[in-house]
Amino acid sequence: DVKVTQSSRYLVKRTGEKVFLECVQDMDHENMFWYRQDPGLGLRLIYFSYDVKMKEKGDIPEGYSVSREKKERFSLILESASTNQTSMYLCASSYPRLDRGRDTEAFFGQGTRLTVV
Amino acid sequence: QKEVEQNSGPLSVPEGAIASLNCTYSDRGSQSFFWYRQYSGKSPELIMFIYSNGDKEDGRFTAQLNKASQYVSLLIRDSQPSDSATYLCAVEESGATNKLIFGTGTLLAVQP
Repeated sequence: DVKVTQSSRYLVKRTGEKVFLECVQDMDHENMFWYRQDPGLGLRLIYFSYDVKMKEKGDIPEGYSVSREKKERFSLILESASTNQTSMYLCASSYPRLDRGRDTEAFFGQGTRLTVV
Repeated sequence: QKEVEQNSGPLSVPEGAIASLNCTYSDRGSQSFFWYRQYSGKSPELIMFIYSNGDKEDGRFTAQLNKASQYVSLLIRDSQPSDSATYLCAVEESGATNKLIFGTGTLLAVQP
């Protein structure tokens, strides 16, 4: 089974703190993603990565950065946490699309519910 | 902004009925479409994916795709209370590698 593991299930941080959310996958997937999920807004893509040391901005990158030093690990960094970053954060990974027949669905971690106070 | 639209629900159906979940998308070049199920407090899990126009069946689930109308649906036959969850439609953005755009999800409630 594909396993995507996020380092924390629940996290409470103070405004202004630097926050690290870690994600590790064991399927040798090239693609990794960070989403946040908020009621009524669905899943919104923050950043994604196609390869080691490679990153691309998603739809809402402001206030976030990422790091991918190893293929299996993708970290989301909140440089200075703010209350509007209180949310459920979901990490996902997938194979790249090489041909139509390959299973390229995204597999999700269990989520990290971050509260910034 | 490329969009994926779903009715937020709740969609309430009696046990044993067919549940029909619908999704429209704006990116005409999209080629891959996914349905995820998300139980309350849990992460999304893949139910089905579909790439070609027409129907794709897997057990009690049928995905339907109409690219001309930019419409994808999920039918759940013989609905069970355990099917009660939020169903997320996801569309792969054209020109990008596996970048998925998600709808806000439809909450399905199957009444015993």
